[in-house]
Amino acid sequence: SAVISQKPSRDICQRGTSLTIQCQVDSQVTMMFWYRQQPGQSLTLIATANQGSEATYESGFVIDKFPISRPNLTFSTLTVSNMSPEDSSIYLCSVVVTSYEQYFGPGTRLTVT
Amino acid sequence: GENVEQHPSTLSVQEGDSAVIKCTYSDSASNYFPWYKQELGKRPQLIIDIRSNVGEKKDQRIAVTLNKTAKHFSLHITETQPEDSAVYFCAASVSAGNQFYFGTGTSLTVIP
Repeated sequence: SAVISQKPSRDICQRGTSLTIQCQVDSQVTMMFWYRQQPGQSLTLIATANQGSEATYESGFVIDKFPISRPNLTFSTLTVSNMSPEDSSIYLCSVVVTSYEQYFGPGTRLTVT
Repeated sequence: GENVEQHPSTLSVQEGDSAVIKCTYSDSASNYFPWYKQELGKRPQLIIDIRSNVGEKKDQRIAVTLNKTAKHFSLHITETQPEDSAVYFCAASVSAGNQFYFGTGTSLTVIP
């Protein structure tokens, strides 16, 4: 498995502002993903964070709203830009190890007021 | 793209009984099927997985079965305990390291 940490664990933000979430892994991983999970809902993939190239975004998510950085194989950031109350959610990073197994970070609980 | 459906959305069982959660998928190229358990306020935890070259896999009280022809897979929990109460998600992936498609989740309650 992998030890994954996220910062911050939670935050309350004003609408119109931006928040950057950090994800740190204790080992080098090729595949890293960012998900959103709204209360009582399933996990929705936002994007695949690619090391050395631009992230790959899923339908409905755009780089201007959710810019992602992946400077190396152990770290990534997701920024939620120009926030609105609809962005209130839990944001989770995940990594894939041993070819298939996917493990999740503890999540960042975001509330936008 | 892949579409994963999961049933039931909620499930209540008496302690000691068995629980079964079923998922179907649409993309015949999917070859990896993990199950996650998510307790309230916690991250999803991988509990068991199965690859397409295997029909069944068991780990103590939990087992997963896969029917590739019918494109469905199931999670079986035997001798349920209150600590099994959680939301369970199935997922499917087309290839190693590719994105995962998640089911909508099943909220399992084990009644003591």
